[in-house]
Parts: sequence; C-alpha cells; structure tokens
Amino acid sequence: AQSVTQLDSHVSVSEGTPVLLRCNYSSSYSPSLFWYVQHPNKGLQLLLKYTSAATLVKGINGFEAEFKKSETSFHLTKPSAHMSDAAEYFCVVSEAAGNKLTFGGGTRVLVKP
Amino acid sequence: DSGVTQTPKHLITATGQRVTLRCSPRSGDLSVYWYQQSLDQGLQFLIQYYNGEERAKGNILERFSAQQFPDLHSELNLSSLELGDSALYFCASSVVGTSSGTDTQYFGPGTRLTVL
Repeated sequence: AQSVTQLDSHVSVSEGTPVLLRCNYSSSYSPSLFWYVQHPNKGLQLLLKYTSAATLVKGINGFEAEFKKSETSFHLTKPSAHMSDAAEYFCVVSEAAGNKLTFGGGTRVLVKP
Repeated sequence: DSGVTQTPKHLITATGQRVTLRCSPRSGDLSVYWYQQSLDQGLQFLIQYYNGEERAKGNILERFSAQQFPDLHSELNLSSLELGDSALYFCASSVVGTSSGTDTQYFGPGTRLTVL
C-alpha cells in the first residue's frame, strides 16, 4: 500500500523568502508523484508531477520539486514566496494500478508581508 | 479553469435524504474520479470510472454510488445521508486512467455538501 506524509501541517514564511514543503512517500512500485495546490474555496490545481524522468521537476509559478529515491522524499521548493502563494499544498502519490491518488495531509502556507 | 465542471456548487440537505452530484469531465477525457474532502479524513479517493465502466474503488460507503453515462458525464449519488457526510466532493478527470499511474488528473471546483 502507498502512503504520503507531509511533515509540516503549517508553514509560515515572509514574502520574498524561500519556501520548503516537505513530503515523504511510501510505495511498492516506482511511483508517480504530484504536488497540487488548493486556494481558499477553490479546487485543486496541479503544480508539477514526477513520472520517472528527470529527478528535478519544474512546475508552475516558480515551484520545483526534487525526487530522491534513497530518501523517499519529494520536497517542494520556491526561491521567493509571493503573497499569492498562501494556500494549502498537497503531496500526492499515484498507484500504478488504476491511477488512484493517495493524498498527504496537506501543508497550509501563510505568507507574511 | 481546469475544464472540469461540477454542479451544484453548494447543497444543503437533511439527514436521511438523498442527493445527486454531477460532474462533466474535460473534453476528450475518458476517466472520471470522485474524491471526498473532510476535516477529519482529509482527501480520500472514492471511485473511478473509465468510459462508462467502474475501474477502481476506494473508501466509498455502500450508501454511495456512482455512474458514468455515454456522454462521459458522471453522477455521484449519496443516500441515507448522515451528519458525517458533510464534506467537499471533488470530481477529477484524466485522459485515460492508465495502469501506469502517470495520468494527470484535473480537478473540478467541488460541491460543498452540508447535511443538517
């Protein structure tokens, strides 16, 4: 069975400083991994995805994530936070059979001016 | 805008009632997925349909059922509603829903269900 652990339920950063959201996964297969963002009262938007190509994945809005198999991690980073980055972020692993997504518990990001 | 539409946006009903949530996938997508987001359970996969056939099942209660129609839209039926069924229900779609697990799922805006 697959699982995802997001190590921080809340992260607070100042505008213009780096953002790091930590994610560890467990999967029996070579996983596909995703980061989604959910702004208040909105649906989920895909930020980026890893599917066994390059281990450093670039996404939208300046986000990127690095897949580290030895550490079973897929941390999300952004060099400079913007006020519009305030949202909840979900790390997600996809089961090879059936494309079923398993979500982490989410990390809520607060950006201070 | 993901291209996935869900109706209604909000639904308020009473315990014991039955409701139907509707989802239209992105143009060209054959797979539809349903998810439930609640404060205590987080985001959970309920069920997947591919081209009209049930493909995968998750933590879906027996009181809940879904179907996908020939035009590929999907409906999620929730019956004998309980207070604990109050949640945000998301629909997502993907092109195929392959066994490789690499398909990207695009999410609709959700239907917020409140059971009183």
